[in-house]
Amino acid sequence: DSGVTQTPKHLITATGQRVTLRCSPRSGDLSVYWYQQSLDQGLQFLIQYYNGEERAKGNILERFSAQQFPDLHSELNLSSLELGDSALYFCASSVGQDYTFGSGTRLTVV
Amino acid sequence: DAKTTQPNSMESNEEEPVHLPCNHSTISGTDYIHWYRQLPSQGPEYVIHGLTSNVNNRMASLAIAEDRKSSTLILHRATLRDAAVYYCILRLLDSNYQLIWGAGTKLIIKP
Repeated sequence: DSGVTQTPKHLITATGQRVTLRCSPRSGDLSVYWYQQSLDQGLQFLIQYYNGEERAKGNILERFSAQQFPDLHSELNLSSLELGDSALYFCASSVGQDYTFGSGTRLTVV
Repeated sequence: DAKTTQPNSMESNEEEPVHLPCNHSTISGTDYIHWYRQLPSQGPEYVIHGLTSNVNNRMASLAIAEDRKSSTLILHRATLRDAAVYYCILRLLDSNYQLIWGAGTKLIIKP
């Protein structure tokens, strides 16, 4: 257990639907990052939050949004889902240069 | 664009050292070099990081070229449990410490 918890582990949904992925960071970590990993590829940075505020944005589609709540957990909302959104979605938290990743949510859009 | 280049795959025998190369010719002076590995169906796991000097920890060593345009991750005695995809990553100071990931090297360990 890395200390970063992601739920659900697996999600299957239809095109056009909306889903919410949840991440609880490691205790004490203020930063949360979201990444997308398509099949056999490296991770693509989506967005970062620090203590409730958006800090940096990567290649995040307008159909996707995220937030970090006062208890520091974060949610990634994916809407109007397309087949190409099928991927592993990872959350990471960090303090300093120490990044810890969760085990991911596998999203399958059918 | 900051970017890293790694071989797609490498093979090594168990109990032998492994040298995983990475090129990052566009690195800037404030970018840290990080290495993570990812086992099948798991999230990435931190291996090591450095800025200019060579670094050692219990998992591996990191050798950084003098011009910082390349680095090598060294696993001193590979075991079957080291079979994974190894990612060489730049941590960009100028972009709020974002991690910029390459495609990674799939390390295959032969018994």
